[in-house]
Amino acid sequence: DAGVTQSPTHLIKTRGQQVTLRCSPISGHKSVSWYQQVLGQGPQFIFQYYEKEERGRGNFPDRFSARQFPNYSSELNVNALLLGDSALYLCASSYSGQLVQPQHFGDGTRLSIL
Amino acid sequence: EDKVVQSPLSLVVHEGDTVTLNCSYEVTNFRSLLWYKQEKKAPTFLFMLTSSGIEKKSGRLSSILDKKELFSILNITATQTGDSAVYLCAVYRGSTLGRLYFGRGTQLTVWP
Repeated sequence: DAGVTQSPTHLIKTRGQQVTLRCSPISGHKSVSWYQQVLGQGPQFIFQYYEKEERGRGNFPDRFSARQFPNYSSELNVNALLLGDSALYLCASSYSGQLVQPQHFGDGTRLSIL
Repeated sequence: EDKVVQSPLSLVVHEGDTVTLNCSYEVTNFRSLLWYKQEKKAPTFLFMLTSSGIEKKSGRLSSILDKKELFSILNITATQTGDSAVYLCAVYRGSTLGRLYFGRGTQLTVWP
């Protein structure tokens, strides 16, 4: 079975631009969470979507937004990019966002801001 | 403020050594603690611990949770070069079960 897939793998943008990152969860998983991981740090929670509704938001500015589609795939959008947005963006899925169960991660999108 | 603290931050050992990685936490309404291994990209799930004192094992890896003292350890015996990775500790708290709170990780390097 396919794991969590993310696209693109790498992305280079300049300050002020906008970016869209995509995530397909494991088949049957209905919850998707997004994390930002900067070098040398653990992942920081950005959003959770479950059954197409936002269920949680981390301490990130309004430039960050996301949505989940009827097939449970998800997009993360970041507007007005800043140098500090350079990071590995990870998507994780689980069957239910309301049970204590492991999240399974994709390989991430490496975003570099010039 | 919720905290997940891992120690040491980095560790260098030789093949065959046994290592112990530590994770302490201070979070309100603790639900569960998870360990992940991150080599280059995706963190891969190792263990989830919810009950105190029950050891979980998978091959050369084992982990245990102490809910009274608020910590967990991850043991790796007979280390191999393929064990080189960042080991991440994360916790679930309260009803926010889509959100994991991560520590900074322990960078383990195993030399041949």
